[in-house]
Amino acid sequence: GAVVSQHPSRVICKSGTSVKIECRSLDFQATTMFWYRQFPKQSLMLMATSNEGSKATYEQGVEKDKFLINHASLTLSTLTVTSAHPEDSSFYICSATKAGVYNEQFFGPGTRLTVL
Amino acid sequence: KQEVTQIPAALSVPEGENLVLNCSFTDSAIYNLQWFRQDPGKGLTSLLLIQSSQREQTSGRLNASLDKSSGRSTLYIAASQPGDSATYLCATFTNAGKSTFGDGTTLTVKP
Repeated sequence: GAVVSQHPSRVICKSGTSVKIECRSLDFQATTMFWYRQFPKQSLMLMATSNEGSKATYEQGVEKDKFLINHASLTLSTLTVTSAHPEDSSFYICSATKAGVYNEQFFGPGTRLTVL
Repeated sequence: KQEVTQIPAALSVPEGENLVLNCSFTDSAIYNLQWFRQDPGKGLTSLLLIQSSQREQTSGRLNASLDKSSGRSTLYIAASQPGDSATYLCATFTNAGKSTFGDGTTLTVKP
């Protein structure tokens, strides 16, 4: 199989705090992970591409200092939303590809972030 | 820049009907195209993946076609059921894994 998990599934935090979201590939090694954001009634927007052991590549308009991505191992990537504000409230989804194969991305179940 | 458009935005059909969802894209230089299902508040479930060299893929009651030259893909759902009610997303991918998603078609199948 190719299972991707995310933790937490739902988080509520106060404005100004930082929140970390984990993305794990449970049964395969993922050299590349992708982070998406989805606002209500909108489609997924790619935020960044995360490669194991190197810096993430951010899409245009995504602040790299606000959305810190760490891909320290072949099975784990983390997204930290720093100094969160209500406008950061969104559904964050990660995906992963199997090592060396860009053929298909396997998506996690998503994390609902609400910033009060 | 790739743009993916899905028509219609919403669709309501009676149970048992066959239906077609449409997806169009502006840049034909894709590596593959995927159709996903998303239930409210949930993540994505991959339905079908079509490689750029393929013309169609089938899984159960679902059939997806791809015409790269015209920039179009369709998802055909046979004998629709209330459980098929969800938002269906189409996405194109480059060989580097960069994706472009459409806004989706929200399907309601009435019992």
